Amino acid sequence: QVQLQESGPGLVKPSETLSLTCYVSGSSIDNYYWTWVRQPPGKGLEWIGDIYYRGSSTYNPSLKSRITMSVDASKKQFSLKLGSVTAADAALYFCARRSGWYIPPDSWGQGTLVTVSP
Amino acid sequence: EIVLTQSPGTVSLSPGERATLSCRASQGVSNTYLAWFQQKPGQAPRLLVYGTTTRATGIPVRFSGSGSGTDFTLTISRLEPEDFAVYYCHQYGTSPYTFGQGTRLEIK
Repeated sequence: QVQLQESGPGLVKPSETLSLTCYVSGSSIDNYYWTWVRQPPGKGLEWIGDIYYRGSSTYNPSLKSRITMSVDASKKQFSLKLGSVTAADAALYFCARRSGWYIPPDSWGQGTLVTVSP
Repeated sequence: EIVLTQSPGTVSLSPGERATLSCRASQGVSNTYLAWFQQKPGQAPRLLVYGTTTRATGIPVRFSGSGSGTDFTLTISRLEPEDFAVYYCHQYGTSPYTFGQGTRLEIK
């Protein structure tokens, strides 16, 4: 059974870059899409972007200028970098797996809370 | 961007009752790319239904999805105590993929 675990700093200063990594166990990286979704406290879900195991990616246009996603199959992990963060980027960040192009995220990490503060 | 509007915002029902949750899209969504998630406090979302009607692995048959075009529905035939949660619809066919704002299903 696949397990995903987000890792990264819980606190980021405004204007700095948020870096998160998702570690995958119980599954290969190959042949799947890998997703980031975030949820501000008490609010709804926002799709950040998807990356295919071969490296091609699709980003939310509202964040595209600030996002870089990458995947490292050998280490069974994928990563998110979000630059120039503001208070609006404070959220619970989830990583997830899509089992196929026609399937939305069907396996999720438990999420990691990111606070943006000086 | 496709905006998904869920109704009602909150619904109060009793165990054993039937729940009908609505999701309306600002433009047409292919049936292939409409999903429903359940989220409980402190937990990640859980995929219930994808492709409008297909239950995800391990999801009980009391959960069913229907609809087409701009109007989609999640029905829970007989509510169990563990079904009280927030439900989100999600379209993943047109970027940016979007979620509805959620429907809170609470115990009456």
